[in-house]
Amino acid sequence: AQSVSQHNHHVILSEAASLELGCNYSYGGTVNLFWYVQYPGQHLQLLLKYFSGDPLVKGIKGFEAEFIKSKFSFNLRKPSVQWSDTAEYFCAVNTNAGKSTFGDGTTLTVKP
Amino acid sequence: IAGITQAPTSQILAAGRRMTLRCTQDMRHNAMYWYRQDLGLGLRLIHYSNTAGTTGKGEVPDGYSVSRANTDDFPLTLASAVPSQTSVYFCASSQLKNTEAFFGQGTRLTVV
Repeated sequence: AQSVSQHNHHVILSEAASLELGCNYSYGGTVNLFWYVQYPGQHLQLLLKYFSGDPLVKGIKGFEAEFIKSKFSFNLRKPSVQWSDTAEYFCAVNTNAGKSTFGDGTTLTVKP
Repeated sequence: IAGITQAPTSQILAAGRRMTLRCTQDMRHNAMYWYRQDLGLGLRLIHYSNTAGTTGKGEVPDGYSVSRANTDDFPLTLASAVPSQTSVYFCASSQLKNTEAFFGQGTRLTVV
């Protein structure tokens, strides 16, 4: 069965700091990879996704992620965070079997 | 506005009672999902349906049942609620079984 591990449970940054959230998965086959964001009191929304092709994908609000197949990783990055990026971030993996697995989430707090 | 509608938005339920959480999507997506979100545990898949007429068990199916009589609706039933089912429940859908998911606003359920 696949699993997803997010390394940081809670990250606190000051505005303009750079962000990197780690995500590793375990699955031997082809996967689709996602990062979702959940702003306080809201539902999950898609930030970005990787299906195939260029392993560096760009999403909304200046976020990007890099798929490194050899490391089974899909880390999320943003060069300069804003207070409005305060949210919970979830990495997710889908396989061709259709089952999706989410990581436990990382809470990001950006101090103004 | 196209999307996913969940009802009710919140509910307090006595233990032992039966409860159905409703989920309707108007995007004609093939796949639908039910997750529960608990603090520190991220999102866990309860049941899923890759297409109308089929359902499957997720990570935490015990105590829950689903049906998928048509494309749009995917109700989740708790046959006899227990306090450990206190959680926030999210319904989601995706065009295909391994593409990005669109989430509803969630149902906050408290079993007392």
